[in-house]
Amino acid sequence: SAVISQKPSRDICQRGTSLTIQCQVDSQVTMMFWYRQQPGQSLTLIATANQGSEATYESGFVIDKFPISRPNLTFSTLTVSNMSPEDSSIYLCSAQGGEGYEQYFGPGTRLTVT
Amino acid sequence: QKEVEQNSGPLSVPEGAIASLNCTYSDRGSQSFFWYRQYSGKSPELIMFIYSNGDKEDGRFTAQLNKASQYVSLLIRDSQPSDSATYLCAVRSNTGGFKTIFGAGTRLFVKA
Repeated sequence: SAVISQKPSRDICQRGTSLTIQCQVDSQVTMMFWYRQQPGQSLTLIATANQGSEATYESGFVIDKFPISRPNLTFSTLTVSNMSPEDSSIYLCSAQGGEGYEQYFGPGTRLTVT
Repeated sequence: QKEVEQNSGPLSVPEGAIASLNCTYSDRGSQSFFWYRQYSGKSPELIMFIYSNGDKEDGRFTAQLNKASQYVSLLIRDSQPSDSATYLCAVRSNTGGFKTIFGAGTRLFVKA
């Protein structure tokens, strides 16, 4: 299994600013993902973070709003840019590994935009 | 049609009973199937995965897979109040870049 840490665990930000969330995995993994989850709602995949190339974004998410970096096989960042209250959510980093291609999740970053 | 469907619940069972959680999926080419548990305010935690037809047991948990019916279930024996959580079914599809699709989850409540 993979152990994933995220920083920060929570933040309160003003609209119009940006926040960068860091994700660190304790082992090298091929696939890393970023999700968003509203309380009581299902997971929404934002993008797949590709090592050495641009992230692959899901419909409704764009690079200008959610730039992602993945400089190596254990680390990724997600930036939430020009934030609005609608960006208030829990952001989850996930890594895929193991024989069954199972995904493991970080503890999440709770973002509140005022 | 949603790709992975779960009854949102809540499913309420008494302590000590068997909780049965169900999931259907639309992609017949799906190969790997996962169950996650998510406590309120926490991130999803992998319980187990299965990729062969039949049953797979791990402690009090049994995953059941029927690819012909496109159906996967999770049984929790001797349910405990600490099992109260949302259970997410996830399916790894062979289409769309081998993406894992998550269901919306079933809320389980185990009454003491």
